[in-house]
Amino acid sequence: DIEMTQSPSSLSASIGDRVTITCRASQGITYYLNWYQQKPGKAPELLIYAASRLQSGVPSRFSGSGSGTDFTLTISSLQPEDFATYYCQQSYRSPRTFGQGTKVEIK
Amino acid sequence: QVTLRESGPALVKPTQTLTLTCTFSGFSLSSGGMCVSWIRQSPGKALEWLALIDWDDGKYYSTSLRTRLTISKDTSKNQVVLTMTNMDPVDTGTYYCARLSTSYFYGMDVWGQGTTVIVSS
Repeated sequence: DIEMTQSPSSLSASIGDRVTITCRASQGITYYLNWYQQKPGKAPELLIYAASRLQSGVPSRFSGSGSGTDFTLTISSLQPEDFATYYCQQSYRSPRTFGQGTKVEIK
Repeated sequence: QVTLRESGPALVKPTQTLTLTCTFSGFSLSSGGMCVSWIRQSPGKALEWLALIDWDDGKYYSTSLRTRLTISKDTSKNQVVLTMTNMDPVDTGTYYCARLSTSYFYGMDVWGQGTTVIVSS
């Protein structure tokens, strides 16, 4: 299985901060990397697919980068509605594994 | 508009078999590149990918759960069914189905609201 490792597991940030979350795959997955946002009690939502492509309707403050084994999700200016848990997931090969999640909390 | 909705029992007893149904609309699972996955989340834990079925009836499973899982589709009813045998209290959680397609490089672009399953005697 391809193991996905996110860091950090949690972070505290203030409104307006730039936030970066990293995701590392245990083997190369080219650009088959997706990012999801999940708020408490809700289903996850797709933010970024194919490492850097913004899902329709997602604010442009979200961006993704990387290829191969190392990937990054960046929120350029954190907004109140961005406090949530973020997951990376590889869609290169089954089983389609997730990272362990990064919880973004208010400082 | 693409929608998915999970249904199934809210409570199952240990050792029983769980059967969940994902009923979807707005796309056809017989169209090339379309897939449906099941994902679960135990309380306070991370998302866990369970299984996937594709337009060509290809079936893929979690390595750790493959002996307990079966995924199938009924294209005429727009449904995907997941069965999980030998349920245990650690299987308690919310179970989601989601659509994947080549259009999103197999990212899961639409999710159901989830269905909560409690395993208890």
